[in-house]
Amino acid sequence: ILNVEQSPQSLHVQEGDSTNFTCSFPSSNFYALHWYRWETAKSPEALFVMTLNGDEKKKGRISATLNTKEGYSYLYIKGSQPEDSATYLCAFSLDDYKLSFGAGTTVTVRA
Amino acid sequence: EAQVTQNPRYLITVTGKKLTVTCSQNMNHEYMSWYRQDPGLGLRQIYYSMNVEVTDKGDVPEGYKVSRKEKRNFPLILESPSPNQTSLYFCASSPGWSNQPQHFGDGTRLSIL
Repeated sequence: ILNVEQSPQSLHVQEGDSTNFTCSFPSSNFYALHWYRWETAKSPEALFVMTLNGDEKKKGRISATLNTKEGYSYLYIKGSQPEDSATYLCAFSLDDYKLSFGAGTTVTVRA
Repeated sequence: EAQVTQNPRYLITVTGKKLTVTCSQNMNHEYMSWYRQDPGLGLRQIYYSMNVEVTDKGDVPEGYKVSRKEKRNFPLILESPSPNQTSLYFCASSPGWSNQPQHFGDGTRLSIL
């Protein structure tokens, strides 16, 4: 089982503030890194899949960066809104088929 | 509407009584996978399938079986369920392999007494 760590486990942010959090993964034999948003009582929803070192992805106010050499990815939320409250999961793959998920970072945006 | 459908959504059953959780996708995806989610542990992969008749173990396959006789269906079978299999289960599919985003079903909450 691959060790994929996310930090912090949870965070609270004031509406309008920006925030970021980390996903760490083994830096050897990288294949792909996924980010998902998981809202309460719903199913995880894909945000990004990144495959190249230095990759940056953006979707509205949410963006992600990837450093495969040092084994980390950051997810950024700019100008947080209450609807951004969710658990954000990252998943790492070193081959075609298996995905290993981190335990997630739970974001709560306070109005 | 493109979707992954799991049934049942909720099930309470007893130890040893065989059960099957069905998963069906209508997107013609080749790759399908089962995960279980337990508090503090994140999603753990149980089994995955690269195509019809091709399946392999994930990280936590013990106590589970799967089959992929048709492209759209990927049932999860618990031959003799035990209380430690009480969990939230997700089925997912994607058009390619692990470099493609996963589309998740709504989840099945299993309680085994």
